[in-house]
Amino acid sequence: QVQLVESGGGVVQPGRSLRLSCAASGFTFNMYAMHWVRQAPGKGLEWVAVMSHDGTNKYYADSVKGRFTISRDNSKNTLSLQMNSLRAEDTAVYYCARDPYYFDSSGYYWEGYFDYWGQGALVAVSS
Amino acid sequence: EIVMTQSPATLSLSPGERATLSCRASQSVSSSLAWYQQKPGQAPRLLIYDASTRATDIPARFSGSGSGTDFTLTISSLEPEDFAVYYCQQRSYWPPAFTFGGGTKVEIK
Repeated sequence: QVQLVESGGGVVQPGRSLRLSCAASGFTFNMYAMHWVRQAPGKGLEWVAVMSHDGTNKYYADSVKGRFTISRDNSKNTLSLQMNSLRAEDTAVYYCARDPYYFDSSGYYWEGYFDYWGQGALVAVSS
Repeated sequence: EIVMTQSPATLSLSPGERATLSCRASQSVSSSLAWYQQKPGQAPRLLIYDASTRATDIPARFSGSGSGTDFTLTISSLEPEDFAVYYCQQRSYWPPAFTFGGGTKVEIK
């Protein structure tokens, strides 16, 4: 069965960096785009970033552009999110999520939905 | 940026009743809309995509409808496990933009 397990969350001071990882199993990781989605405490969901199945295409929400970097290692079935210059407003549970589109050379890289989610990693930015 | 607005914010119903949740987009998203269910302390779960297609293993009591700017999630007869928060989400392929509504909480009356 599909499993996504995030790690690397914690408490960090404003301006510092943190790296999240997501270990994937139960599916052909290198054929699916992957996303990060976050949820501030008691708030709604916010999409953060997407990366295509092969890592060649990536895109970010305006709120994190220039500070966060999404990457993947298909040899290790791992998705990562490098978060730099963290701010208090970045405090949230961060979920990795699979895009349901199975790459088939049709020219598309993702569907833009999220069909499987990890359990989330809490990132708290506080002095 | 497309803004998604959900109503009502809270819906108080009893088990067995019908739930009707609304989602409105600030501009047309065609049928590019999904619905998710989230229970406390859990990750969201995909219920509906492309406005009306049920995701894998989602019970038939969940149905979605609408296109353009107005969408509805209907739960035909609420089960105890259906009391949760529901989010709609639109997708724009390029440039990529995936935005969620603020959520509707379905609570036990």
